[in-house]
Amino acid sequence: GQQVMQIPQYQHVQEGEDFTTYCNSSTTLSNIQWYKQRPGGHPVFLIQLVKSGEVKKQKRLTFQFGEAKKNSSLHITATQTTDVGTYFCAGPNTDKLIFGTGTRLQVFP
Amino acid sequence: NAGVTQTPKFQVLKTGQSMTLQCAQDMNHEYMSWYRQDPGMGLRLIHYSVGAGITDQGEVPNGYNVSRSTTEDFPLRLLSAAPSQTSVYFCASRGRGLLTDTQYFGPGTRLTVL
Repeated sequence: GQQVMQIPQYQHVQEGEDFTTYCNSSTTLSNIQWYKQRPGGHPVFLIQLVKSGEVKKQKRLTFQFGEAKKNSSLHITATQTTDVGTYFCAGPNTDKLIFGTGTRLQVFP
Repeated sequence: NAGVTQTPKFQVLKTGQSMTLQCAQDMNHEYMSWYRQDPGMGLRLIHYSVGAGITDQGEVPNGYNVSRSTTEDFPLRLLSAAPSQTSVYFCASRGRGLLTDTQYFGPGTRLTVL
């Protein structure tokens, strides 16, 4: 079945450093979504990418969808302590939304 | 809109007990899902529904039952709780369609099975 993997599993950064998480699917995706889960909270939708090679920005966050629509990345510029949490990518598989394994980001002040 | 609501927030069960986790949404979403989240395991799909009267299994369905008698409600039943079912359970809903696939999550139920 479809698998969605993310690397790294954990990342610790100093505040102000950049951070990137990578998402890879075993199958081609019609779209990819990104979610953020704060510690103790629930996942919250960040963005959806649909087109091959698409790049979207949200302030310090840059999201990219690969040309083959099998991989994606999330890059955070100049991390802040408010960026702490786990970032998940998710891809549809017919009627299901399959989540990646997640990357937990810790930011030290 | 209340969005997706879940009850209870916390629950402790003994092995062998049964219980129902409640989930409701007021966004008229057709799709609803149940996930469990264990440390380091991400979100794993238990069961999902594409509309009232229709349910299907996800990645880890064993030990759980669901039903969807109305669009709004999607309860998850634990038939005979086991310690391996200790987890955080999230209910989620979304509309139909490529551009409406955004999934909204409930606040979660933290379940401990002793």
